[in-house]
Amino acid sequence: GENVEQHPSTLSVQEGDSAVIKCTYSDSASNYFPWYKQELGKRPQLIIDIRSNVGEKKDQRIAVTLNKTAKHFSLHITETQPEDSAVYFCAASSGRGGSQGNLIFGKGTKLSVKP
Amino acid sequence: KAGVTQTPRYLIKTRGQQVTLSCSPISGHRSVSWYQQTPGQGLQFLFEYFSETQRNKGNFPGRFSGRQFSNSRSEMNVSTLELGDSALYLCASSPPAGAGELFFGEGSRLTVL
Repeated sequence: GENVEQHPSTLSVQEGDSAVIKCTYSDSASNYFPWYKQELGKRPQLIIDIRSNVGEKKDQRIAVTLNKTAKHFSLHITETQPEDSAVYFCAASSGRGGSQGNLIFGKGTKLSVKP
Repeated sequence: KAGVTQTPRYLIKTRGQQVTLSCSPISGHRSVSWYQQTPGQGLQFLFEYFSETQRNKGNFPGRFSGRQFSNSRSEMNVSTLELGDSALYLCASSPPAGAGELFFGEGSRLTVL
């Protein structure tokens, strides 16, 4: 079955620096790659997603890149702020059988932004 | 619009008991998925329901089951609880076909003693 690996597991940066989180997936049929942010004690929330027909997507300070050939995708956060501190999860889905809710998640990256 | 609502938020059970968790999706969302979140394993997919039918199932033992009602509300049940079932159980709903985004509830935190 699908497997998603995420690195690093922890990441500490200074405020204003950039942060990069990388994920690899195993199922070549995967076509949807969302990123979720989970603050301490709160629910995961989607911050950005990308589909397999696109190589890069940006939304203000966050961007995601996808390399289908290498089966990896990355999250880039620029000009980090203390409120970016959270656990970030990457995920992949093939949407088989019309499924929308079957996401395979990476194990998460705990990002700490130091003021 | 009200978000995804899960009940109960916290519960404590003992080994061998069973538990039922409830999830009310966002109005208009017909797909409901369940995930188990633990510190060691992260978020793991349990199952997905759409129009009262299980559409997908993760790699969990048969002690984990679920169902969906005609109003899209969903329940999951875990029988013969084990210590390792202690986790945060998250429910998520999805808008109509093609959108992809999951909207998560706050979760039900289960502790098995």
